[in-house]
Parts: sequence; C-alpha cells; structure tokens
Amino acid sequence: DTAVSQTPKYLVTQMGNDKSIKCEQNLGHDTMYWYKQDSKKFLKIMFSYNNKELIINETVPNRFSPKSPDKAHLNLHINSLELGDSAVYFCASSQEVWGLEQYFGPGTRLTVT
Amino acid sequence: SQQGEEDPQALSIQEGENATMNCSYKTSINNLQWYRQNSGRGLVHLILIRSNEREKHSGRLRVTLDTSKKSSSLLITASRAADTASYFCATDAENAGNMLTFGGGTRLMVKP
Repeated sequence: DTAVSQTPKYLVTQMGNDKSIKCEQNLGHDTMYWYKQDSKKFLKIMFSYNNKELIINETVPNRFSPKSPDKAHLNLHINSLELGDSAVYFCASSQEVWGLEQYFGPGTRLTVT
Repeated sequence: SQQGEEDPQALSIQEGENATMNCSYKTSINNLQWYRQNSGRGLVHLILIRSNEREKHSGRLRVTLDTSKKSSSLLITASRAADTASYFCATDAENAGNMLTFGGGTRLMVKP
C-alpha cells in the first residue's frame, strides 16, 4: 500500500541515452512534484503538476520532459542523458499546490556513465 | 543559494542524548517544515510550524521558530539509534510563490 511509488529504483545508463522514470500516488492528491537530490544531498524542485497541468518548471533543461497522463501519475522522461544528470530523483505529492505536507516516493538513483 | 541551510552538517551523539539541529533562511516565510530522510529512502514529513508560532511539540520532537532571526531549531530528545537519518528543513518563501525549498540537511548519527 505504498502511497507514492517510483520505478525503477536504480537506473544505470550511458551518456546520450533516453530514459524514463515513472511515479504513481494512491493518495488522491491533486499535486505532484519531481525533485532532484545531488550528491551533497541538496534537494531541488524540478517540476510541479496540479491536476495534470504544469505549474512549475524550475529552469530545468528541456531534455527533461514530465508527462502527467492523469493526476495520479507523473512520469519523467530524460533525453540525451549527460553525466551531470546522475542524481537521485524523487517524486512527491500533496493535497494542494505547495500543500503543507508533501509525501515522497522512495527515489530513483540514476547513474549516467 | 539555498533558502534554508542546516547547521551542523553532521552530528554524532550517543543514544539517550538530545540532538539539536538548526536551520537558517533568508526571506520571509509562511511556514517551516522539518523532514527526515533515512538512508536510501524518501523524505518523511515530521512537523510544521507556522510563521506566527514560536514553538511546537510532537512526541520527542520540539521545534522552535524565531522569525526575527530567520532561524528554526529541531530538538530530538532521548535519541535512539533509529533516529539516525538526515534531517531537512523546508520553507515556503513568500517571494517564491510559496514554493517549498529545502536546505542541505543535517546528517545525524545516533550510536547505540
């Protein structure tokens, strides 16, 4: 009964490849987010979607394209992967936009070689 | 730079001791939250304190907020080995559309 789930948990790929990370929440929340956590543990917001509509895009390269087929899912597709994309990517959700409590998925550790 | 910055970056204590972590931020906020992250896991919400509150308790957690100093502290009393984790503060800055921004975290190790 995981509230926010992500797949895969680990992803190792080569530079130049295209990959996707999937996220699903079963909390009935309206808003979902993607965060990137770097090697120094800093967590930065990448995107926010509310009811399938993009509301925040925090200066993320256009190689990153989120897609929300419905409000329970927010997937992240990354084209032409670069070494600097290596990080842990977290999906999160909240009841409202910037809701007072965000629920995080377990993370996807992406390693680009 | 980060809106919220935790201090210290790392803290090691013995089980049973208290652990205090601090967070400083730069701009006016509506709320400040603390999250815990166990190794290899996602963040878990611990406690939220509003800008008009000065102190809040939840179990062994005590959070204070000083808006004049733009700082908050998280106190974990009677620590346990299971408290070993990274702790992050997150603020929703008024001038950032209430977007939630996180600090770099304090890595707490509680030795049994």
